[in-house]
Amino acid sequence: DQQVKQNSPSLSVQEGRISILNCDYTNSMFDYFLWYKKYPAEGPTFLISISSIKDKNEDGRFTVFLNKSAKHLSLHIVPSQPGDSAVYFCAASDRNDDMRFGAGTRLTVKP
Amino acid sequence: ETGVTQSPTHLIKTRGQQVTLRCSSQSGHNTVSWYQQALGQGPQFIFQYYREEENGRGNFPPRFSGLQFPNYSSELNVNALELDDSALYLCASSFGGLGRNEQFFGPGTRLTVL
Repeated sequence: DQQVKQNSPSLSVQEGRISILNCDYTNSMFDYFLWYKKYPAEGPTFLISISSIKDKNEDGRFTVFLNKSAKHLSLHIVPSQPGDSAVYFCAASDRNDDMRFGAGTRLTVKP
Repeated sequence: ETGVTQSPTHLIKTRGQQVTLRCSSQSGHNTVSWYQQALGQGPQFIFQYYREEENGRGNFPPRFSGLQFPNYSSELNVNALELDDSALYLCASSFGGLGRNEQFFGPGTRLTVL
């Protein structure tokens, strides 16, 4: 059962522009959401998180937006840099802390 | 402070065999979670160990089992390997036994079952 979906397998953006990565979920019990970044041959690295009591969390160039009514979250990267090129995973957990991951979106930032 | 390490890096087995994968948690962490990442998919939660006890389990059959040792390192054992077990196996360590505490992932073990 795919409770967390990332419908775009890939995204290509020009350096300096905004990257927007999207994620949808189906389980209304999810109350904590995370984004991870993964480079080849490395494990995923935590990037940013948001609790369901918020609708926005910002950390430097990275901002996560949560729309609970639409069961949708997005990660904005501004400005995008070539070093941001990686696979980005969206993840969600509920009170039982059972974490579910999306399939990932491969972001390519072109110089 | 050392990060999360996993061994081996790569492994090839045949159907029906058994395999043991190892994970050393980050210094100061007492929780290890294991994930299976099949090609083109996101990591899927297998189980979590907190203070040497299983603390949660995903939708995986009993032939997937684990251990956590007093130093908080962990093993994932898979019996009666099937072709579909071919995947990248990730372990992640954290502190406190809760999924929402930041997890630090190892680089993974790539298992191929022939």
